[in-house]
Amino acid sequence: SQQGEEDPQALSIQEGENATMNCSYKTSINNLQWYRQNSGRGLVHLILIRSNEREKHSGRLRVTLDTSKKSSSLLITASRAADTASYFCATDALGAGSYQLTFGKGTKLSVIP
Amino acid sequence: DGGITQSPKYLFRKEGQNVTLSCEQNLNHDAMYWYRQDPGQGLRLIYYSQIVNDFQKGDIAEGYSVSREKKESFPLTVTSAQKNPTAFYLCASSEWQKSATNEKLFFGSGTQLSVL
Repeated sequence: SQQGEEDPQALSIQEGENATMNCSYKTSINNLQWYRQNSGRGLVHLILIRSNEREKHSGRLRVTLDTSKKSSSLLITASRAADTASYFCATDALGAGSYQLTFGKGTKLSVIP
Repeated sequence: DGGITQSPKYLFRKEGQNVTLSCEQNLNHDAMYWYRQDPGQGLRLIYYSQIVNDFQKGDIAEGYSVSREKKESFPLTVTSAQKNPTAFYLCASSEWQKSATNEKLFFGSGTQLSVL
């Protein structure tokens, strides 16, 4: 079953605007990761946030994690047309006893030039 | 040039045929994974391997088989028992530490499998 669920499923914005995507999950986690996928390509890791962290930055990316609400958000500031892609969150369940990440269905972001 | 190489990029399977998807990595990673992606869906784990000569079933292993004879290679066979094989298949690898939680995955560029 899907652990993480992204919201919204699709998002269309103008270049220069900020894009916010959300991820909710069901069970306690060790960490949460965000990945990006261009159409027909593999996924690329963007950022990892551990369960004891609340916020993390990487360039134009900002990720927050609220373990009490079991949710995370990915903010892309000053978006560019090249940011057009699908974005997935992935979680590593606490105490799972195995080495697995569970991915959500993704948010499809379109940035209009 | 380090990374993960998947081949072929496109593959067609006839009914009743087994096909094998190749995945090779030169990142010296211990762990390797196979995921299946259907249109508009997330990734679902088929098989994973943490060490040579050992692998574990994921959520949707039925109709698939794997081998891990070398650290660098983790081929996936889609057998005739997999009745709905049309999907985008992604191979990934990661470092693995026994006491650590998951680190980031490095993905190949995928293989699109279609049924003739």
